[in-house]
Amino acid sequence: GEEVAQTPKHLVRGEGQKAKLYCAPIKGHSYVFWYQQVLKNEFKFLISFQNENVFDETGMPKERFSAKCLPNSPCSLEIQATKLEDSAVYFCASSTHGRNQPQHFGDGTRLSIL
Amino acid sequence: DQQVKQNSPSLSVQEGRISILNCDYTNSMFDYFLWYKKYPAEGPTFLISISSIKDKNEDGRFTVFLNKSAKHLSLHIVPSQPGDSAVYFCAAPMDSNYQLIWGAGTKLIIKP
Repeated sequence: GEEVAQTPKHLVRGEGQKAKLYCAPIKGHSYVFWYQQVLKNEFKFLISFQNENVFDETGMPKERFSAKCLPNSPCSLEIQATKLEDSAVYFCASSTHGRNQPQHFGDGTRLSIL
Repeated sequence: DQQVKQNSPSLSVQEGRISILNCDYTNSMFDYFLWYKKYPAEGPTFLISISSIKDKNEDGRFTVFLNKSAKHLSLHIVPSQPGDSAVYFCAAPMDSNYQLIWGAGTKLIIKP
C-alpha cells in the first residue's frame, strides 16, 4: 500500500498480559523502524529491520520485547508480561533505503496497561 | 545529551504571514535533516528534508535552510494557513543505524 498501516489503533491489556502490535510497511520499502512515544514529544527508537532481518535492536528491552518482519506478513512487535511503564504510543515507520531517506510513519498503536 | 534541539515549545503566527521554526544540532556527523508535522492522535507526516551538501531546499510553501557552520536549520512556511497548526519536529538520522534523533517539537498555532 501507499501508507504505513498499523493495527490496532488502541490496545488495552491488564498488567502481566501479552500485547501484540502489527505494522504493514509501504510496499517496496526495505527498512522498517519501531519507535515508542511515552512522553508527548519524545520518540524512543526500539528496533529496525532491513527486509526480514534485524538491522539494529539496541533500543529493545530484550527480556520482554520481541519483533519480527516475515515475508508476505505484517511486521509485529510483541510485549510479554506487560508492565504499567509499557503504556505508550508505538509508531512504525518504513523507508525505501535506510540511509538519508525519509521515514514514513503510521498513525501508531496506543497501548494502555491497566 | 540532546543532539537535536528545538528551543521554542510554541509559536503563534497570524494567518497569511511567514512561520519560521528553528532547530539546532550538536552532532557534526549528521548530514541529512528532516522536518515532520504531527497532528494529535496521528503519526508524524514527512514534510521536507535537506542534505548537508545543500543550504536550501524548497517545496511549495515550505523551505528549509541549513547553516552548517552554525549547526542550525530552519523551516519557513509562507503563507501560513490554519491547517498548518500542528507540532513540528526536526530530526536527523544516525549514521550507524539510521534511527531518527528528534527535537522536542514546536507547537505552531496559526491565528485567523
